Amino acid sequence: GNSVTQMEGPVTLSEEAFLTINCTYTATGYPSLFWYVQYPGEGLQLLLKATKADDKGSNKGFEATYRKETTSFHLEKGSVQVSDSAVYFCALSVYSGGGADGLTFGKGTHLIIQP
Amino acid sequence: GAVVSQHPSWVICKSGTSVKIECRSLDFQATTMFWYRQFPKQSLMLMATSNEGSKATYEQGVEKDKFLINHASLTLSTLTVTSAHPEDSSFYICSARGRQGLYTQYFGPGTRLTVL
Repeated sequence: GNSVTQMEGPVTLSEEAFLTINCTYTATGYPSLFWYVQYPGEGLQLLLKATKADDKGSNKGFEATYRKETTSFHLEKGSVQVSDSAVYFCALSVYSGGGADGLTFGKGTHLIIQP
Repeated sequence: GAVVSQHPSWVICKSGTSVKIECRSLDFQATTMFWYRQFPKQSLMLMATSNEGSKATYEQGVEKDKFLINHASLTLSTLTVTSAHPEDSSFYICSARGRQGLYTQYFGPGTRLTVL
């Protein structure tokens, strides 16, 4: 089956610090990889994605590279802001026929950025 | 664009009653909708996948007769929790995918169900 493992938080950083949230996966077939973010009181939002090996997804200063050899998709940001405080979910889905299957999520990492 | 709404945002019901949760895609046609369940401080678990006009496909371990899913139109899917019990209390989240963007799901804000 499919599974996603990500570091569990909370992760507490100071503003302008460098961020890494680790994510590794196991999957049958060739998965697409995603990072979703959930701000307090809001629904999940797609942060970035990568659909094949060596692709780099990026958005709002966040980056993640699809590493097939290490089955990883680590999320990074060079300088975090207080507004980045949220829960981050790594996820995967496998394409089958008419579209990607439902997402398999990691447990989520609660990120807290202190001013 | 790509907004998904859920109604209600929260509901409290008595044990043994049924509760219906609606998921709507407001500005696009959702050929596929997904229903997830999220326990406190845990991840989202996929419950079922529904394609417009077809029966839903349930994940292993999800009771079809307890969690009834209907995807009657391209903009509406409903989840009915039948004969709800306290262990059904959870956060239910839907997502929708359109004809374009085969990998992108847009999530609703979720519905908090509390069964007394």
